[in-house]
Amino acid sequence: SQQGEEDPQALSIQEGENATMNCSYKTSINNLQWYRQNSGRGLVHLILIRSNEREKHSGRLRVTLDTSKKSSSLLITASRAADTASYFCPYNAGNMLTFGGGTRLMVKP
Amino acid sequence: DARVTQTPRHKVTEMGQEVTMRCQPILGHNTVFWYRQTMMQGLELLAYFRNRAPLDDSGMPKDRFSAEMPDATLATLKIQPSEPRDSAVYFCASQKGLYNSPLHFGNGTRLTVT
Repeated sequence: SQQGEEDPQALSIQEGENATMNCSYKTSINNLQWYRQNSGRGLVHLILIRSNEREKHSGRLRVTLDTSKKSSSLLITASRAADTASYFCPYNAGNMLTFGGGTRLMVKP
Repeated sequence: DARVTQTPRHKVTEMGQEVTMRCQPILGHNTVFWYRQTMMQGLELLAYFRNRAPLDDSGMPKDRFSAEMPDATLATLKIQPSEPRDSAVYFCASQKGLYNSPLHFGNGTRLTVT
């Protein structure tokens, strides 16, 4: 598969806890991106990490990239009910992004 | 905030009818993508354009689907004739520049074909 494969498929946590999602891919990449999709809405870009970067932060988000293992992780700290959404990690190995099935995160109040 | 606009938001039609979905990309974005999302298949890339020229439409059923960009402010996706299996949410996304830029998605057109 050319897609970024997210793991787990579903995750349920309590508000305030941290959420960690993982992503694997199979080819060399230019960059890897994380997107969030709230129910009934389009995808929203969260963060982009380039192939020569190992870690990136944005607010409560922390993304790591391990090109030797062809994997990435997204950590959301101090989760909120509003973080309930599906999260995707498409990667770019050419001119376009291909998406996997995503991780469905539920944050319970 | 600039955003991608898709119309209509919802469309219900009968099998065999023509469906046209429209997308207005963000001004200045030169790449436009069409994706389809279903529970079973997830997000599938149907086609994309750069500077209005089609670069890849291999994900699209050619016999019934067509995608065009009449001008830089409008992208269209047509299905003729529509079938129940085309029921899905269709997303348009635009991008400025090349592969190190994020995609900006519209809120989609939810299509139901009965």
